[in-house]
Amino acid sequence: NAGVTQTPKFQVLKTGQSMTLQCAQDMNHNSMYWYRQDPGMGLRLIYYSASEGTTDKGEVPNGYNVSRLNKREFSLRLESAAPSQTSVYFCASSRGDEQFFGPGTRLTVL
Amino acid sequence: RKEVEQDPGPFNVPEGATVAFNCTYSNSASQSFFWYRQDCRKEPKLLMSVYSSGNEDGRFTAQLNRASQYISLLIRDSKLSDSATYLCVVLSGGYQKVTFGIGTKLQVIP
Repeated sequence: NAGVTQTPKFQVLKTGQSMTLQCAQDMNHNSMYWYRQDPGMGLRLIYYSASEGTTDKGEVPNGYNVSRLNKREFSLRLESAAPSQTSVYFCASSRGDEQFFGPGTRLTVL
Repeated sequence: RKEVEQDPGPFNVPEGATVAFNCTYSNSASQSFFWYRQDCRKEPKLLMSVYSSGNEDGRFTAQLNRASQYISLLIRDSKLSDSATYLCVVLSGGYQKVTFGIGTKLQVIP
């Protein structure tokens, strides 16, 4: 039982490049989330998915798109990366009140 | 005023000490409250939920004061392994409105 997995763990992009962050969970949870964490700020919700086939914007969705591919997988795409998107990205899934987080992806945009 | 405010610390305490953290929230309609623990460069993990009646889990006690709009976390008999950042989390209307505090850093000193 791996819990929530994320790939890649680290990534460096140049401004304007695109990439997709992958997330998968094996706990059969309906809800999944993408957050970013920046120094001096709390985790901020980018997008969430209450169930397979549905996605909704969170607090900071601009510059991102998501796909809930199936119940297990929830990907985050940066179409044209900007230095302001340098951050640590966490994926999470939830059962009831408790959220389970993946290990994070450290993204640097030069 | 930020929606969720925490003193970022650091709180440096000796082993065996009792330490308390507060977290204030601005939305009086907030419904659910949690403390998460985050170790350095790791993902957050649920420490405990915070109920109106208060709750205790071993050396940890969480309290909610709706009138003054704050939650607290008390750690008794601090251990070196308690060194981490403690995140306050407030839900207002489901996970589309989840707010994390910036976290309070605790360092337990031998």
